[in-house]
Amino acid sequence: EIVLTQSPATLSLSPGERATLSCRASQSVSNYLAWYQQKPGQAPRLLIYDASNRATGIPARFSGSGSGTDFTLTISSLEPEDFAVYYCQQRRNWPLTFGGGTKVEIK
Amino acid sequence: EVQLLESGGGLVQPGGSLRLSCAASGFTFSSYAMSWVRQAPGKGLEWVSNINAGGVTTYYADSVKGRFTISRDNSKNTLYLQMNSLRAEDTAVYYCANRDNSGWLDYWGQGTLVTVST
Repeated sequence: EIVLTQSPATLSLSPGERATLSCRASQSVSNYLAWYQQKPGQAPRLLIYDASNRATGIPARFSGSGSGTDFTLTISSLEPEDFAVYYCQQRRNWPLTFGGGTKVEIK
Repeated sequence: EVQLLESGGGLVQPGGSLRLSCAASGFTFSSYAMSWVRQAPGKGLEWVSNINAGGVTTYYADSVKGRFTISRDNSKNTLYLQMNSLRAEDTAVYYCANRDNSGWLDYWGQGTLVTVST
């Protein structure tokens, strides 16, 4: 099973600041990595797929990078609606696995 | 508009059974693989199971293998999860999600809560 480790667990930032979230895989997942956003009481929403492609309707302030085992989700300038939990997920191998999540909270 | 609507959750005793349903609309259900993903209270996401578009090929997380069965009825645009021998650790919100042509979990339902407790 591929283990995804996200860091930090919590990121405390102010609106307008840049957020950098990390996801590390226990073995190479090539570019088969996605990022999801989840707000309280809501289902997750696909943000980034194939490591760096924005899903439909996702604002340009969200960007993804990386390949192999190290990946980054960057939010260039935090908007109030961006404070949420973010998960990475791989589909390189079964079982599909998620990282433990990074909570982006208001400082 | 794509809609996924889960139902069938509730309170069940340990060792009991429950069948979840996910009614799909707004897309050609029979053309897409589907997955179940769960989230225990206050915890992260855990993938549970996947079924291909034709309903032939299935995958399961080790934590549910042998106890849960995923299936689908493409004539009814509905996905199912039969859950047997339920344990307290199966308590979670269960989401159904469709997998897009690239295999990503593109659209998600709102979830249905399963509580396993005496």
